[in-house]
Amino acid sequence: DQQVKQNSPSLSVQEGRISILNCDYTNSMFDYFLWYKKYPAEGPTFLISISSIKDKNEDGRFTVFLNKSAKHLSLHIVPSQPGDSAVYFCAAVRGSRLTFGEGTQLTVNP
Amino acid sequence: KAGVTQTPRYLIKTRGQQVTLSCSPISGHRSVSWYQQTPGQGLQFLFEYFSETQRNKGNFPGRFSGRQFSNSRSEMNVSTLELGDSALYLCASSLNRGHGTEAFFGQGTRLTVV
Repeated sequence: DQQVKQNSPSLSVQEGRISILNCDYTNSMFDYFLWYKKYPAEGPTFLISISSIKDKNEDGRFTVFLNKSAKHLSLHIVPSQPGDSAVYFCAAVRGSRLTFGEGTQLTVNP
Repeated sequence: KAGVTQTPRYLIKTRGQQVTLSCSPISGHRSVSWYQQTPGQGLQFLFEYFSETQRNKGNFPGRFSGRQFSNSRSEMNVSTLELGDSALYLCASSLNRGHGTEAFFGQGTRLTVV
């Protein structure tokens, strides 16, 4: 049972445009949600989080939106930069356990 | 301060063998979690250790086990290796439990089973 799903395995955008990465979940008991970014041969690094009681959190070029009724969250990156090219994982937290999605490979073309 | 250190970085084993992976958390961090990453499956939670006790366990067979030492270092063991165990194994450390935003990942151990 995949409780957190990222349905797009890859996304390609032009430098300077908006990147929108999506994530769906099934368990309404998650406490908060995270986005991690992963480069090849490195471990994931934390990017941004959002509590389940919020619907938006912004940090510089990164904004995460949470739609609880749809059990959907998205990560917006504006403007996208070539250095943003990486695999992005969304994760849902309940207690001390993180449940990750499958990841989306973002490629930002110069 | 030093980050999360996983050793070895790469490992090749044959089917039926057993393997032990090591994780040294960030100094002062007491919680260590292990994840398996395979293509198309994302990161699958294996288990979490806190104060030398397994606190949480994912849906993996009993061939996967682990432990944590008094200095918070953790080891993960996989016995009777199968080809499907080939994956990147990631360790994450955090200061305490329930702080997902403060989970720091190591670079992982790439295990190949042949």
